Amino acid sequence: AQSVTQLDSHVSVSEGTPVLLRCNYSSSYSPSLFWYVQHPNKGLQLLLKYTSAATLVKGINGFEAEFKKSETSFHLTKPSAHMSDAAEYFCVVSASTNDYKLSFGAGTTVTVRA
Amino acid sequence: DADVTQTPRNRITKTGKRIMLECSQTKGHDRMYWYRQDPGLGLRLIYYSFDVKDINKGEISDGYSVSRQAQAKFSLSLESAIPNQTALYFCATSVGYEQYFGPGTRLTVT
Repeated sequence: AQSVTQLDSHVSVSEGTPVLLRCNYSSSYSPSLFWYVQHPNKGLQLLLKYTSAATLVKGINGFEAEFKKSETSFHLTKPSAHMSDAAEYFCVVSASTNDYKLSFGAGTTVTVRA
Repeated sequence: DADVTQTPRNRITKTGKRIMLECSQTKGHDRMYWYRQDPGLGLRLIYYSFDVKDINKGEISDGYSVSRQAQAKFSLSLESAIPNQTALYFCATSVGYEQYFGPGTRLTVT
C-alpha cells in the first residue's frame, strides 16, 4: 500500500521568509509524487510533480521539492513567502503503477504574516 | 472557460433525500474521479472511471453511486443522504498520473 504523511498540519511564516512543508511517503513501487495547492474556496492546482526524472523538481510560483529516496521524503520549499502563498498544501503519491490512483496527505495549512 | 466544471457549487439537503452531483470536462480525458474532502483527512477517493464502460469503487464508496453518461460527464449520487456525508466533493480528470480538479461542490446534509 502507498501512503503519505504530512508532518505539519499548520505552518505559519512571515512574508519574505522561507517556507518548508514536510512530507514523507511509503510506496511499494518507484513512486510518482506531487504537491497540490488549494486556495480558499478553490479547487486543487498542481504545483509540481516528480516522476523518476531529476530529484530536484521546480514548480510554479517559485516552489521546489526534492525527492530523497533514502529518507522517503519529498519536502516542499520556497525561499521567500508571499501573502498569496496562504493556502492548504497536499502531498500526494501515486497509489500504484498501473491505475493512476492517488493517495493524499492530510494537508498543511500555510499562514503568511505581514 | 474552466476545463472541469461541477454543479451545483453549493447544496443543502435533508437526511434521506437523494441528491446528484454533476461533473463535466472539456479536456477529452478518459479517466474521471470523484473525491470527498474532510478537514484533516485530505481527499479520499469515492469512485473512478477509466472510460464509459469501466467504473470502479474507491476507498469510501459505501452510500454513493456513480454514472458515466459520456466521456465528458461523470455524476455522483447519494441515494439517501446522511449527515456524515457533509463534505466538499471534487471531480477530477487525468492523463497519466496528473489530475485536473474541478472547483468543488460543498454539500451539507441536515
